[in-house]
Amino acid sequence: GIQVEQSPPDLILQEGANSTLRCNFSDSVNNLQWFHQNPWGQLINLFYIPSGTKQNGRLSATTVATERYSLLYISSSQTTDSGVYFCSVPRGAGSYQLTFGKGTKLSVIP
Amino acid sequence: ETGVTQSPTHLIKTRGQQVTLRCSSQSGHNTVSWYQQALGQGPQFIFQYYREEENGRGNFPPRFSGLQFPNYSSELNVNALELDDSALYLCASSLNSNEQFFGPGTRLTVL
Repeated sequence: GIQVEQSPPDLILQEGANSTLRCNFSDSVNNLQWFHQNPWGQLINLFYIPSGTKQNGRLSATTVATERYSLLYISSSQTTDSGVYFCSVPRGAGSYQLTFGKGTKLSVIP
Repeated sequence: ETGVTQSPTHLIKTRGQQVTLRCSSQSGHNTVSWYQQALGQGPQFIFQYYREEENGRGNFPPRFSGLQFPNYSSELNVNALELDDSALYLCASSLNSNEQFFGPGTRLTVL
């Protein structure tokens, strides 16, 4: 099945700093989702981005499907950005079942 | 618009027991997927239901089973619980299996 690798595994930022999280995947995909998991375990949808670039406030994402990677940018980080960020893609061609990476754990310190 | 809800929030069971977890899908969604998330790992796909039929299954044994009801809500049943079944169980709903939206999860502890 498809493999998803996220980097870095852990990231510590000072409040106000910017960061880039990366997601590499091993096969072509027709959709990709980024999630933020808060300390209570809830997965919050950030972006549904099979290709191109999207922005939502301080967050933006870019997926380059032909090169099999996606980037999540967080600008002017806040303590509430802390948590684990997951990238997910379909398990295989024609599949609607998500495969997740192991996540990037982000800690934003004041 | 009501989001995805799950019940119960937390559950403690002992080995060998059976458990049923419940999920109500987001309004307008017809597909429900279940995932298991062990501590420190990403969610793992268990199975998906589309219009009351199983629409794909991950690498989980048959003691993990499910149902989807006409109102698109769903249940996850686990028989003969094992210690390794301790995890966060997440339900996600979507319209025709596109962008998935997750519920808050049920944290299951097996003693």
